[in-house]
Amino acid sequence: KAGVTQTPRYLIKTRGQQVTLSCSPISGHRSVSWYQQTPGQGLQFLFEYFSETQRNKGNFPGRFSGRQFSNSRSEMNVSTLELGDSALYLCASATGGYNSPLHFGNGTRLTVT
Amino acid sequence: GDSVTQMEGPVTLSEEAFLTINCTYTATGYPSLFWYVQYPGEGLQLLLKATKADDKGSNKGFEATYRKETTSFHLEKGSVQVSDSAVYFCALSAPNAGNNRKLIWGLGTSLGVNP
Repeated sequence: KAGVTQTPRYLIKTRGQQVTLSCSPISGHRSVSWYQQTPGQGLQFLFEYFSETQRNKGNFPGRFSGRQFSNSRSEMNVSTLELGDSALYLCASATGGYNSPLHFGNGTRLTVT
Repeated sequence: GDSVTQMEGPVTLSEEAFLTINCTYTATGYPSLFWYVQYPGEGLQLLLKATKADDKGSNKGFEATYRKETTSFHLEKGSVQVSDSAVYFCALSAPNAGNNRKLIWGLGTSLGVNP
């Protein structure tokens, strides 16, 4: 079974631009979560989607948004990029139950200059 | 509120040494507990899990026991290898008010194993 696929692996953007990251979950998984990982803040939860509906949201500004499609694929968008948005963005899929483990992709490394 | 406290790193050991990474939690109700591992340049992988008190999760020589009386889920391995060098995350999962997933993460513990 194919794992979670995130594209692109690396991205360099300048301040003020916007970016869209993509995540394809494991087949059959309906839950997709997004995390931001930085050396200083650790792993920070952004949001979770289940069957195209956002059902959990972390404490990030409105510049961070996401969506999920009917095939469970998900995208995350960051508008008006800031230097502090430089991070590894991780996507994880799960079957949906609260105690089902997350399966992570290898992440997208975003650098904002 | 719910929380996970993990021992700070980095931890540096020699090959074949015994490993313990401490993890304690606070939670209402009956959470599930997880250990994830992140190897350099990769995403996190589930290492092991336990869903109720006294359960022992095990995988790849690692073990952790869900101790409700001490609210702990310490990770142990009897003999570490260089290939175990990675960052280890303890996590707690429980239903929130809407019966959706609430996942609380520890800050991660970096482990380096020298040959």
